[in-house]
Amino acid sequence: EDQVTQSPEALRLQEGESSSLNCSYTVSGLRGLFWYRQDPGKGPEFLFTLYSAGEEKEKERLKATLTKKESFLHITAPKPEDSATYLCAVQASGSRLTFGEGTQLTVNP
Amino acid sequence: EAGVAQSPRYKIIEKRQSVAFWCNPISGHATLYWYQQILGQGPKLLIQFQNNGVVDDSQLPKDRFSAERLKGVDSTLKIQPAKLEDSAVYLCASSQRAGRLNEKLFFGSGTQLSVL
Repeated sequence: EDQVTQSPEALRLQEGESSSLNCSYTVSGLRGLFWYRQDPGKGPEFLFTLYSAGEEKEKERLKATLTKKESFLHITAPKPEDSATYLCAVQASGSRLTFGEGTQLTVNP
Repeated sequence: EAGVAQSPRYKIIEKRQSVAFWCNPISGHATLYWYQQILGQGPKLLIQFQNNGVVDDSQLPKDRFSAERLKGVDSTLKIQPAKLEDSAVYLCASSQRAGRLNEKLFFGSGTQLSVL
C-alpha cells in the first residue's frame, strides 16, 4: 500500500526565514509526486509534479526536489501570503493519488 | 476559465439522515473525482469517474455512499444514512484528459459536512 508521511506537521517561520518541508514516501513504481497548496476553506491548488529522482522545479519562492525516497519543498525568504497547508501526494501505476496529511505553514510578518 | 463548482458550501445534519452534494467540473474535463478530507488529514479518494464510467470506487463505503455522473458532466454524491464519522469536507476535483497519469487536479472549495 502506498504511504506518504509529511513532516513537520506544523511550521512557524518569521518572514524571510527560509526552511524546508519534507515528504517521505513508500510506493511501488512511482509515476509522479505532486505538491499542492491548500488555503483555509479552499480546495488544494496544484503547485508541482516531479517524475524522477534528481528532478527539481521552481515557482517564485518555492522549489521542489525529489529523491528515491523523499521530496523536499524549499521555501526561500517566505512572505505571510505563503501561509497555507502544503500537501504532498504520490501516484503509482494504479493511478490513484495518495495524499499525506500536510504541513501547516505559518509565516509571521 | 471557470473553476470546479460545488454546492452546498456547508451542511449540518443529524445522524441517520440523508445528504447530497453536487459538483460541476471544469468544462471539457473528462475525469471527475470525489475526495473526503477529515480535519487534519489529507484528501482520500472516494470515487473516480472517467466520462460516465466509474474508474475507481474501491474506497467508497458502498453500504451508505453512492455517486453518479450524469451525461459525463455534473455529479452528485449521496450519503444515506449518515454517521458521525462522515463529518468531513467533501471535495470534488476534475482533470482534463481521460486515462492519463500525472494529470494535475483542479479542486472545488468543497462542502463541509457536520453530522450531529
